Amino acid sequence: NAGVTQTPKFRVLKTGQSMTLLCAQDMNHEYMYWYRQDPGMGLRLIHYSVGEGTTAKGEVPDGYNVSRLKKQNFLLGLESAAPSQTSVYFCASSYSSLAAIRDTQYFGPGTRLLVL
Amino acid sequence: AQSVAQPEDQVNVAEGNPLTVKCTYSVSGNPYLFWYVQYPNRGLQFLLKYITGDNLVKGSYGFEAEFNKSQTSFHLKKPSALVSDSALYFCAVRDNILSGGSYIPTFGRGTSLIVHP
Repeated sequence: NAGVTQTPKFRVLKTGQSMTLLCAQDMNHEYMYWYRQDPGMGLRLIHYSVGEGTTAKGEVPDGYNVSRLKKQNFLLGLESAAPSQTSVYFCASSYSSLAAIRDTQYFGPGTRLLVL
Repeated sequence: AQSVAQPEDQVNVAEGNPLTVKCTYSVSGNPYLFWYVQYPNRGLQFLLKYITGDNLVKGSYGFEAEFNKSQTSFHLKKPSALVSDSALYFCAVRDNILSGGSYIPTFGRGTSLIVHP
């Protein structure tokens, strides 16, 4: 099993450009999450999905959109990138968290994004 | 509402000494608590979790954590620190009461553990 993979690993954008970050998991997890990590801010939840075809806003959703067309993939889009979106982005997945005993998140290796 | 606090941005400890990384939480119901570790340029890895049962939870790499309901704490501990334990540690909490139709954990800001040789 590859676990959780993220594409790309690193990207440089100019202000106003758009891009899509891809997250894929092969563990048949129901839940998927997108976080951003900034120094001194810890992990902040951007959007999440509780199943195929569903998405929901997290703590910091502005400027981002997501889609979960297939259970194994969760896409994060930046329509018009801004320097404030320079960050490290992590995707995670977990089984349905209704079963707490199985509620452990598995994280991808991250995508470093620099917006100039 | 749920929240978690890691009061120390950084913890310094000498190799071979015991270490403690602090975490306190707030939930409406009963907590499910987690510790994750992040090594440089890597994603977070699961260390251990408390769901129910014994207050002392044992996890990976010799780490353990003690759940204290009266103090609403879940401190991470290790009897003898290694230089290789140097990393960023995150505490997370999830309420057992359904809110907004799903259970989503909340992460602390992280504590940088530095183990000196």
